[in-house]
Amino acid sequence: AQTVTQSQPEMSVQEAETVTLSCTYDTSESDYYLFWYKQPPSRQMILVIRQEAYKQQNATENRFSVNFQKAAKSFSLKISDSQLGDAAMYFCAYRRHSGNTPLVFGKGTRLSVIA
Amino acid sequence: DSGVTQTPKHLITATGQRVTLRCSPRSGDLSVYWYQQSLDQGLQFLIHYYNGEERAKGNILERFSAQQFPDLHSELNLSSLELGDSALYFCASSETSASTDTQYFGPGTRLTVL
Repeated sequence: AQTVTQSQPEMSVQEAETVTLSCTYDTSESDYYLFWYKQPPSRQMILVIRQEAYKQQNATENRFSVNFQKAAKSFSLKISDSQLGDAAMYFCAYRRHSGNTPLVFGKGTRLSVIA
Repeated sequence: DSGVTQTPKHLITATGQRVTLRCSPRSGDLSVYWYQQSLDQGLQFLIHYYNGEERAKGNILERFSAQQFPDLHSELNLSSLELGDSALYFCASSETSASTDTQYFGPGTRLTVL
């Protein structure tokens, strides 16, 4: 079974600085998708960024970018110019390409942003 | 706002009771997924429906059941509730059942079992 590991339960960053959240996953599949979801205090799950495993280019969405290392099965999220609104739980998730597959989530990293 | 709605937002009930959680997917989405978020288990997949048919089951207890209606809304039924069922229950919808589709989450229903 696929597993997703987020080794940092909590992280903090100064406003306007850059922070990187780590995620590793275990799979025997070659084709899959990886995601970062943000869960602010409102509890809404918000998609931050998505990466297709067959793409070598790292995904970028404004201040959010990923470092996808397929061989190492690593998928880290970099947040640049951190803002107070970035404070949230961040979940890394995996989804297999084939079949009716759900998302498999890591345990999450709680990010605090210090003014 | 993801376009996915869930009702009720909060539910407080007693052990042994039965509750129904409701989810309306985004307009045009045929797939509905249910997830449970608890402190000890994290976010776990429960069940997936596509256009009215069950497509996949995850760690769903036998006391739990779900269905998707012709208008595509879905209900998750939880019966013989136990304290450990207290959790946040999310539904997510996507356009089809393809893994290429992004899943959009609703705001969740917080269930408290006393």
